[in-house]
Amino acid sequence: EVQLVESGGGLAQPGGSLRLSCAASGFTFSDYWMGWVRQAPGKGLQWVANINKDGSEKYDVDSVRGRFTISRDNAKTSLYLEMSTLRAEDTAVYFCARESMAGSGIDYWGQGALVTVSS
Amino acid sequence: SYEPTQPPSVSVSPGQTASITCSGEKLGDKFVCWYQQKPGQSPVLVIYQNNKRPSGIPERFSGSNSGNTATLTISGTQAMDEADYYCQSWDNKLFGGGTKLTVL
Repeated sequence: EVQLVESGGGLAQPGGSLRLSCAASGFTFSDYWMGWVRQAPGKGLQWVANINKDGSEKYDVDSVRGRFTISRDNAKTSLYLEMSTLRAEDTAVYFCARESMAGSGIDYWGQGALVTVSS
Repeated sequence: SYEPTQPPSVSVSPGQTASITCSGEKLGDKFVCWYQQKPGQSPVLVIYQNNKRPSGIPERFSGSNSGNTATLTISGTQAMDEADYYCQSWDNKLFGGGTKLTVL
């Protein structure tokens, strides 16, 4: 059974940092692109970043560029999101996401980790 | 790049057909996927590559994409289909704003 379990969420101050982790199991992690999607309270989905199978290609949305870094450790079957210079508008549930091998669509999602940026 | 545009809400009677649109410039030239999200739950992929259904998704869910508009169609809508639906343009990964489907 495919499982994606996020951890590391919590309260951070504006300008602060936080690191999210996603532990993957039930599939060959190194065969898949992975990513992060967030959802602010009561709002819609926003794609944040993704990373290719070996970590050599990374893409992200304009609003987090230069502040957030996606990475992965295939040996540990884990995905990470390093977040710095946090802003109030980064407050959201962050979902770990597996991209379909068919190359279109996110076929598995984690349960989400809440990040709250507030003083 | 701009995110695709969806209507904020769509209403449908049980057993009828619901259509949810997703619009964007030359969207028909791109792959579009659709997600269903119920309150307090993670999204679920219901359509990928414009019109393909993942295993386990009922046949009443179908998709199309042409010109500037992609459409998610739910035939014989059931009460359990009440949820938020999001389209995603796969080339730039941007999501539409979401459509709340009400079955009444």
